[in-house]
Amino acid sequence: AQSVSQHNHHVILSEAASLELGCNYSYGGTVNLFWYVQYPGQHLQLLLKYFSGDPLVKGIKGFEAEFIKSKFSFNLRKPSVQWSDTAEYFCAVIFSGGYQKVTFGTGTKLQVIP
Amino acid sequence: EPEVTQTPSHQVTQMGQEVILRCVPISNHLYFYWYRQILGQKVEFLVSFYNNEISEKSEIFDDQFSVERPDGSNFTLKIRSTKLEDSAMYFCASMAGGTKNTEAFFGQGTRLTVV
Repeated sequence: AQSVSQHNHHVILSEAASLELGCNYSYGGTVNLFWYVQYPGQHLQLLLKYFSGDPLVKGIKGFEAEFIKSKFSFNLRKPSVQWSDTAEYFCAVIFSGGYQKVTFGTGTKLQVIP
Repeated sequence: EPEVTQTPSHQVTQMGQEVILRCVPISNHLYFYWYRQILGQKVEFLVSFYNNEISEKSEIFDDQFSVERPDGSNFTLKIRSTKLEDSAMYFCASMAGGTKNTEAFFGQGTRLTVV
């Protein structure tokens, strides 16, 4: 079955540390890939997206993600986190074929300590 | 920029009451969705709607739930007899569809509290 997994449930970093959040999906076909951020009590905001082309995509707020097709992965990175990055991060995938819908990973709570 | 709008932003209701959550999708979009997020948990798919009918629904979307697009612009989620466990944030989304480079646009959510 098509699924999205995020292995890190809770990550705690100090300010200025580098961040990498893992995302893997299970599906052999074409995918559209997304990362969303949700600040406490807020709605979902799109950080970045990948459809095709350069597998390294840049998003807002200094985030980037790399699509590695052979590993079915789309990891999110940021070289230096700030306290304001404290939020929950959701990886999401649209799988091609059939009725399209967004499938979310379980989310990773990031806590940045000043 | 076009956006998906949801009303109300907050709804408090008594257990057993019916609630209707409203969404106005982006006007030329063809696919519509409802998602649910219980506090502190993941975003769960409830239902998708295309061509005036449900195209897919999850196990969560039982007989208590229904969706409608009554007038070609609004997209509603009705919960017939609310339970405490229906308390959650409900997100509406719409998608243009028809192309491989497609993404869903999400509304800002309705926080439903059942007391």
